[in-house]
Amino acid sequence: ELQLVESGGDLVQPGRSLRLSCTGSGFAFGDYSMSWVRQVPGKGLEWVGFIRAKKYGGTIEYAASVKGRFIISRDDSTSIAYLHMNSLKIEDTAVYYCTREAGSGYNPWGQGTLVTVSS
Amino acid sequence: DIQMTQSPSSVSASVGDRVTFTCRASQDIHYWLAWYQQKPGKAPKLLIYAASDLQSGVPSRFSGSGSGTDFTLTISRLQPEDFATYYCQQADSFPHTFGPGTRLEIK
Repeated sequence: ELQLVESGGDLVQPGRSLRLSCTGSGFAFGDYSMSWVRQVPGKGLEWVGFIRAKKYGGTIEYAASVKGRFIISRDDSTSIAYLHMNSLKIEDTAVYYCTREAGSGYNPWGQGTLVTVSS
Repeated sequence: DIQMTQSPSSVSASVGDRVTFTCRASQDIHYWLAWYQQKPGKAPKLLIYAASDLQSGVPSRFSGSGSGTDFTLTISRLQPEDFATYYCQQADSFPHTFGPGTRLEIK
């Protein structure tokens, strides 16, 4: 069964850092590009970033709202994708989902992990 | 960046109805469009990819069409479990922007 499980969400103060993890199972993790998407509770979906599979260069794309603060990485040996979030702002408060690129869509999605930035 | 718009923002319908949602891109995205269903407290679920391809396991009452800038998602006969919010997303270029969503409510 295809599965993605996020972890690492927490309550953090503005300006601090946090690292989210996304563990994949049921598929050849290293063969797929991965993405992070976030959602403020009650609001719409916001694309955060994307890391290509190594066979496509392993390069990374970021949304303008997080570029320079967030870093996406991956460890294919453990089937984990990471979202390193630095200089967190109150407006980064959201549920963060990881998901796998599947052609021109994303599937599957993890259950999400809540990040709350507040003093 | 490519902007995605969806209409209507919300719609009320009854079980058994046929409903159609529209998604428009601010520039040509060819067929690089996906549709997702999201229920409260749950992760999005991929329904349609490449504008019209049905994701495995998704009921055939869901269908997608369009290319270029204008796309539609149709649910042919609404079932109780279809009441949710529907999002489109373009995957033509980064950032892979989402539309604001269409909320489907029970009439």
